This record gives sequence, C-alpha cells and structure tokens, in this order.
Amino acid sequence: SQQGEEDPQALSIQEGENATMNCSYKTSINNLQWYRQNSGRGLVHLILIRSNEREKHSGRLRVTLDTSKKSSSLLITASRAADTASYFCATDVSPGANNLFFGTGTRLTVIP
Amino acid sequence: EPEVTQTPSHQVTQMGQEVILRCVPISNHLYFYWYRQILGQKVEFLVSFYNNEISEKSEIFDDQFSVERPDGSNFTLKIRSTKLEDSAMYFCASRGQGGQPQHFGDGTRLSIL
Repeated sequence: SQQGEEDPQALSIQEGENATMNCSYKTSINNLQWYRQNSGRGLVHLILIRSNEREKHSGRLRVTLDTSKKSSSLLITASRAADTASYFCATDVSPGANNLFFGTGTRLTVIP
Repeated sequence: EPEVTQTPSHQVTQMGQEVILRCVPISNHLYFYWYRQILGQKVEFLVSFYNNEISEKSEIFDDQFSVERPDGSNFTLKIRSTKLEDSAMYFCASRGQGGQPQHFGDGTRLSIL
C-alpha cells in the first residue's frame, strides 16, 4: 500500500507554540501534498512538495521531504486556535491521473 | 477563488436504492476524482476521470459504481444498489494541467438506512 501514516495521531498545544506533524510513506512518489480538514468539511490544500524538492514554505507553514527516508514533516509556526483541524499528507505516485493516497491524519488542537 | 461544489450536502437513502452524487468541478480543470471517507477513517481514492473516460479506479470502485460527465460542467457518481457499508462522506476533486494540486469540494454525506 502506498498510503502514508501520520505521527502523532493527535497533538494538543498552546496558542503561539509550533506544531510538527510527520508523515511516512512506502513507495516512490511524484509529489507529496498536505491537506487540512475541519470537522465535517472538505479537504483544503495547503502545500505541495515535489519529489526533487527538500523544503518548501508557505506563510506559517514549512514542509520538508526526505525521499531517502520516505518521510515528510509539516511545521506550523506560531499556532492559532483557528489552526485546530485534522492534517493529512497525501502522496501522488502515478505519472498519469495523479490520484492521491491519504494518510491517517493528525488531529491538531490549539488551545487559546 | 473558484471552488468545487457538491450537492446534496447530505443524502439519506434506503439500502438497495440508487443514488447519484453531483459535483461541479472548477471550470478550467481537466482531471476529476471521487474519494470517500468512512467515519473516523482515512480518505480513500475511488476513481479518476480524464478526457471523458476513467483513468484509474480502486478496488472499492466495483460494478455498483459509475461516473459520468453528462455535460461541460457536472461530474456525477452513481451507486446503483446501495449497501449499508456505502455510508460515508464522498468527496469530489478536480485539478488542472501539470502537477497542480487537487481541489476538493465540501463533500456529500451519504447515509444508507
């Protein structure tokens, strides 16, 4: 299975702290994407990192990718209560249709 | 910003009935997808669609499932004879050319009674 696994499954931090979530996967990838899901809502795309990239930034988000270890991390700096959500990594492994394989997710709670 | 829209937001259907879930992808996108998420579980790929045909499908997407793009804007998922285990959140997604990210709708919650 190409599906990833996130670690930790749940994370609770105080507002202002940084949150780090990790993702591991099993096969070669074209790219890896991070998505956010608020309870009962759809998936919001956060950031895409290609297999030949090692680090990418977007606002308070920083994503790293280590293809040798088949792992990625998502760092959210200076967290806010509004960052409370589930975060998923998704791997794109096929050269064609690029369907995504999602991980199990990390449930992040930011306490005001 | 353009969005993927899905209707209805919640569908309740008796077991054995047919159900059609509807999606309007972002207008200039060419690749379309359906995923599902059973409550408390991970998001699972069902099917991808490009150039008016299925590109890939998962093991979940058996003969009870079909997809269609009946016109230039809608993309539908049909389940012919629903089962209890079809109860899930169904997400539609679309993306443009190249290695662009997929954009997801808010989903349709399907409840089979």
